[in-house]
Amino acid sequence: TQLLEQSPQFLSIQEGENLTVYCNSSSVFSSLQWYRQEPGEGPVLLVTVVTGGEVKKLKRLTFQFGDARKDSSLHITAAQPGDTGLYLCAGAVDGANSKLTFGKGITLSVRP
Amino acid sequence: DAGITQSPRYKITETGRQVTLMCHQTWSHSYMFWYRQDLGHGLRLIYYSAAADITDKGEVPDGYVVSRSKTENFPLTLESATRSQTSVYFCAVDGMPGGQETQYFGPGTRLLVL
Repeated sequence: TQLLEQSPQFLSIQEGENLTVYCNSSSVFSSLQWYRQEPGEGPVLLVTVVTGGEVKKLKRLTFQFGDARKDSSLHITAAQPGDTGLYLCAGAVDGANSKLTFGKGITLSVRP
Repeated sequence: DAGITQSPRYKITETGRQVTLMCHQTWSHSYMFWYRQDLGHGLRLIYYSAAADITDKGEVPDGYVVSRSKTENFPLTLESATRSQTSVYFCAVDGMPGGQETQYFGPGTRLLVL
């Protein structure tokens, strides 16, 4: 069973601050996705990373896939209240019939 | 193009009743998934389907039944609802025809079992 540990579990910061959150596993994944979920809605895909060491940027969000493809980080620059939400990482394993393993998520609150 | 729709969005039922949650996609993507989301557990896979008439168990299948007679529909049935099945249920589909390692989620069904 592949497990994804996300940390920290909760984070409350002031608008304008920078932050980094993590998604770690002892398993190797063929790709890793980050989703954001707002209250009352389903998760929305932010990014997919597939190559070890890959870095992808989405406006103020920077995603990195670990060299060994076992972990990932999400860095947010100058956080805004609109970044508030639950951030989920999910890993895919080759040959797993499109199934994903999800972490439990990081609840981020950005105060104005 | 609504993509993925779920119905009902909210449901209150009683212990022992049968409940069916519907999921419909406007695309023709191969894989469809049912998850439940609970505090402290995150998203857990209940059942998934690779194509019409092909279904398989996920992590927490007990107490649930699925079917997929048409590619676009994937209903989830709770045969005899229990309070432990109170949860938020999400349907998802894979990223493209033929399968891809990303999933797109519906808006969810909030189920309360009394």
